[in-house]
Amino acid sequence: GENVEQHPSTLSVQEGDSAVIKCTYSDSASNYFPWYKQELGKRPQLIIDIRSNVGEKKDQRIAVTLNKTAKHFSLHITETQPEDSAVYFCAAHLAFNKFYFGSGTKLNVKP
Amino acid sequence: EPEVTQTPSHQVTQMGQEVILRCVPISNHLYFYWYRQILGQKVEFLVSFYNNEISEKSEIFDDQFSVERPDGSNFTLKIRSTKLEDSAMYFCASREGRKSEAFFGQGTRLTVV
Repeated sequence: GENVEQHPSTLSVQEGDSAVIKCTYSDSASNYFPWYKQELGKRPQLIIDIRSNVGEKKDQRIAVTLNKTAKHFSLHITETQPEDSAVYFCAAHLAFNKFYFGSGTKLNVKP
Repeated sequence: EPEVTQTPSHQVTQMGQEVILRCVPISNHLYFYWYRQILGQKVEFLVSFYNNEISEKSEIFDDQFSVERPDGSNFTLKIRSTKLEDSAMYFCASREGRKSEAFFGQGTRLTVV
């Protein structure tokens, strides 16, 4: 099966700085890579996703890059704000069925 | 905006008791999932369900677990004889199609005492 590794486990940045979270996956057949934001006690919410036929996708302050050869993908948040503080999970989707989640990154944006 | 809804939000049960966690997926969705998240840990896949049958299950999903879609709208997870280590947040998710994003419910926090 798929194995998704996520780093770092915690990330603390100053408001206005950029944050980068990285994930690697093991199965080259994975073809869909969503990122979820989970605020304390709440459900995971999709914030951005990328498919394997695309190398980069951007939505305002959030961008995701995918390197299929190296089997890694990254989440980039620019101009971070305190409300970006949450746990972020990457996931890899294999064969249109289940998602494999990374272990999560707790992002703390200090005002 | 349509949402996946789960009930109850929190359930406390005694070890050995049966629990049923309920989910109402988004109405036109065809793929259904249960995930769990032990406090502070990653979200773990339990089971996927399509066309009224289990399409895949993880090693966590042993004989103590079962899923059902009893009436075309609800999607339930039953744990027959709960153990302390079953304490976790359980998330239901649904997808419209094979290429679409998954929407998660707000979760049921199960506490086994």
